[in-house]
Amino acid sequence: AQSVAQPEDQVNVAEGNPLTVKCTYSVSGNPYLFWYVQYPNRGLQFLLKYITGDNLVKGSYGFEAEFNKSQTSFHLKKPSALVSDSALYFCAVNRGSTLGRLYFGRGTQLTVWP
Amino acid sequence: GAGVSQSPSNKVTEKGKDVELRCDPISGHTALYWYRQSLGQGLEFLIYFQGNSAPDKSGLPSDRFSAERTGGSVSTLTIQRTQQEDSAVYLCASSLATGSGNTIYFGEGSWLTVV
Repeated sequence: AQSVAQPEDQVNVAEGNPLTVKCTYSVSGNPYLFWYVQYPNRGLQFLLKYITGDNLVKGSYGFEAEFNKSQTSFHLKKPSALVSDSALYFCAVNRGSTLGRLYFGRGTQLTVWP
Repeated sequence: GAGVSQSPSNKVTEKGKDVELRCDPISGHTALYWYRQSLGQGLEFLIYFQGNSAPDKSGLPSDRFSAERTGGSVSTLTIQRTQQEDSAVYLCASSLATGSGNTIYFGEGSWLTVV
């Protein structure tokens, strides 16, 4: 079975501080991992993905994520948070047997306070 | 348009009525997905289409739900005899293909409220 866990429902961070949103996965074989962001009353926007190669993936809006195979994690990070980063973040995983279908975590609400 | 387009953006319907939700994928994308997002349930896969292949309907919650994709492009999700628990955001998405690793792009969603 494929699954994704986002252990924190909420993350609060001060503007200018680094932020981390955690994600762990469970999948047989090589995973394909994604991060999406959802602003209030909007759809999901793609941030970044890991397919293969470099474990550190850079994406939109200054976000990056690090794939760690031994810890089965794919944490989302940003060196300096902005108030405008406040949103709901989803981690997702996919593996070949289910083709393009994504399995999502339950989401983490990030709040950046001024 | 450049992105996935969904209509209506908001729909309020009475319990027991049928509703149709429409999705226009990104031009050239052969794969199309429907997901549902409701409070406390997260993102729930409903169905996906890839070209002329039989769709994967494994996520449809009941036989009141159906979807079709005409001409390999526009898709319609139909909910018959709506129930209050059907209230949710219905998200459509598309990708170039269903190969693993292809990025899936989402529309803005159709917000359904059943009263």
